[in-house]
Amino acid sequence: EEQLVESGGGLVQPGRSLRLSCVVSGFTFDDYAIHWVRQAPGQGLEWVSGINWNSFTIGYADSVKGRFTISRDNAKNSLYLQMNSLRAEDTAFYYCAKGQGNHIVGAPFDSWGQGTLVTVSS
Amino acid sequence: QSALTQPRSVSGSPGQSVTISCTGTSSNVGNYNYVSWYQQYPGKAPKLMIYDVTRRPSGVPDRFSGSKSGNTASLTISGLQAEDEADYHCCSYAGSYTFVFGGGTKLTVL
Repeated sequence: EEQLVESGGGLVQPGRSLRLSCVVSGFTFDDYAIHWVRQAPGQGLEWVSGINWNSFTIGYADSVKGRFTISRDNAKNSLYLQMNSLRAEDTAFYYCAKGQGNHIVGAPFDSWGQGTLVTVSS
Repeated sequence: QSALTQPRSVSGSPGQSVTISCTGTSSNVGNYNYVSWYQQYPGKAPKLMIYDVTRRPSGVPDRFSGSKSGNTASLTISGLQAEDEADYHCCSYAGSYTFVFGGGTKLTVL
């Protein structure tokens, strides 16, 4: 069974940083692209960032470009999201989601974690 | 990267069909056959229901179908069942290794 487990969420002040992690099991991690998708409480989904299997191709939403950095460690079956200069509007559940293939282009998100909550507030 | 437009809510009676629209632009929905749909129950993670506009992952009932015309994609659920009551989110590839979601639609089974 494919499992994705996020961690690292919590309460953080505006302007500060936070690093999220996602550890996966049940599939060959380095065969797939993987993404971060967030959802503010009571709101819709927002794609945040994605990274292909070998980290050569990375994409970011305009709302986080320049502030967030996605990375992966295939040896540790882990995905990361370094979030800097956090704002109140970054408050959301952050999900990691497995891509259907090893590339980012077009491939849907076919397996999801349960999410970790990030709250940005003073 | 403007969000795709979905109706806030739709409803239908058991056994009926409902269609949820998802309107984008020529930069996303209209330019790529990479539209996907996700079902989400309250407090749960989303689940992939349709991808590449019309394709169903294994295990998804054939009551769920997708289509696209121009800049608008649609999800149709036929033979509505009580268990279909959930939020539905559309998503499109938007080029340059980015994706865009819709605002989500709450389906109520009357």
